[in-house]
This record gives sequence, structure tokens and C-alpha cells, in this order.
Amino acid sequence: KQEVTQIPAALSVPEGENLVLNCSFTDSAIYNLQWFRQDPGKGLTSLLLIQSSQREQTSGRLNASLDKSSGRSTLYIAASQPGDSATYLCAVPESYNTDKLIFGTGTRLQVFP
Amino acid sequence: DARVTQTPRHKVTEMGQEVTMRCQPILGHNTVFWYRQTMMQGLELLAYFRNRAPLDDSGMPKDRFSAEMPDATLATLKIQPSEPRDSAVYFCASGLMGTEAFFGQGTRLTVV
Repeated sequence: KQEVTQIPAALSVPEGENLVLNCSFTDSAIYNLQWFRQDPGKGLTSLLLIQSSQREQTSGRLNASLDKSSGRSTLYIAASQPGDSATYLCAVPESYNTDKLIFGTGTRLQVFP
Repeated sequence: DARVTQTPRHKVTEMGQEVTMRCQPILGHNTVFWYRQTMMQGLELLAYFRNRAPLDDSGMPKDRFSAEMPDATLATLKIQPSEPRDSAVYFCASGLMGTEAFFGQGTRLTVV
């Protein structure tokens, strides 16, 4: 059964720092991995989707990497800003033949000025 | 700007009442999900449709919950009768197989 773990559960950093959020999954037979952002009281916003054939995906200051063999993904945020404060969630399909997503419990990020 | 639309955004109801939540998926998407989010359990999948057919509703309490897609532009999640433990935020998401899933803003349900 696919399980997704995110470390750390919470992170508080000063503005300007580069930071790494971690996601690990137990079943490496995935075809993609998706990172989301959730602001308090809001829905989930898709940040990046990495296909299994890719190792990295970039969007602005965000860079996500995927290592299927080790069951890990990292989300790198460069030059963090207070506006980056949110909960970040990763999700993978439950198995290779479904698009049913299994979510991690998230990393709550606070960037202070 | 294509987006998933959920109504209502907030709902307060008394225990025992019927609750219906609605979702309009993004036009052209053939996969629709219903998730429930609570502090204790995080995001749990309740139901999952592809091309309007239910593929998996194993996460849903069948005695009181039901999910349907009357047509390609509408998905519904119904709770009857509602209980206080159903209080949560319910999200609808849509997508195409193998691509990004897009989430609505959610319905915050409070059952008193």
C-alpha cells in the first residue's frame, strides 16, 4: 500500500534562505509526482508535476527532483520570501494503473521577514 | 481562467440533516475526485470517477455518503444523515489521467 511521508512537518526560516522539503513514498512504481501548496483556509494549488521519466522540474524559484529508485522527491525553494509561507504537500498515484492520489501530511512552512 | 468550482463554500447544519455539495470540474477533464481534509487525518480520498463512472469509493462511509456525476459538468457528494464527525473541509479535484490534478476551494462543513 502506497504511503507518503513528508519531513519536516514544520519549518520556520528567515527570509532569503534556500530550503529543501522532503517527500518519500513506499511504492516506487509511480508514473508521476505532484507538489501542491495550500494556504490557510484555501484549496490546493498545483506547483509542479514531475513525470517518472523526468528527474527535475523547475518553476521560477521552485525546483522539484524525483528519484524513483529511492522513493524520494525534494522541493527546493530558492531565496525564500514571506509569501512562500504555506503548507506544502506532495502526492503520488496509489499505483501504476490509477490516478488516485495519495498525499503526504505536508510541511508547514513559515518564512519570517 | 479554468478552475474547479465548488458550492457552497461554507455549510453549517444540524446533525441528522442532509447535506449536498456540488462540484463543477474543469471542462474537458475526465477524472473527478472527492477528498476530505481534517487536522487528524489529513487528505483522504472519498470517491473517484473517470468518464463519469465511479472507479473507487472505498474511502467513503457507504451507509451515509453517496457520490454521483449526473453529467460531465457536475459532481455531487451527499451526506444523509449528517453527523458531527463529518465536520471537515471537502475538496473536489479534476484532471486527466497522468496529468496535474486541480483542486477547488473546498466546502467547509460544520455539523452541530
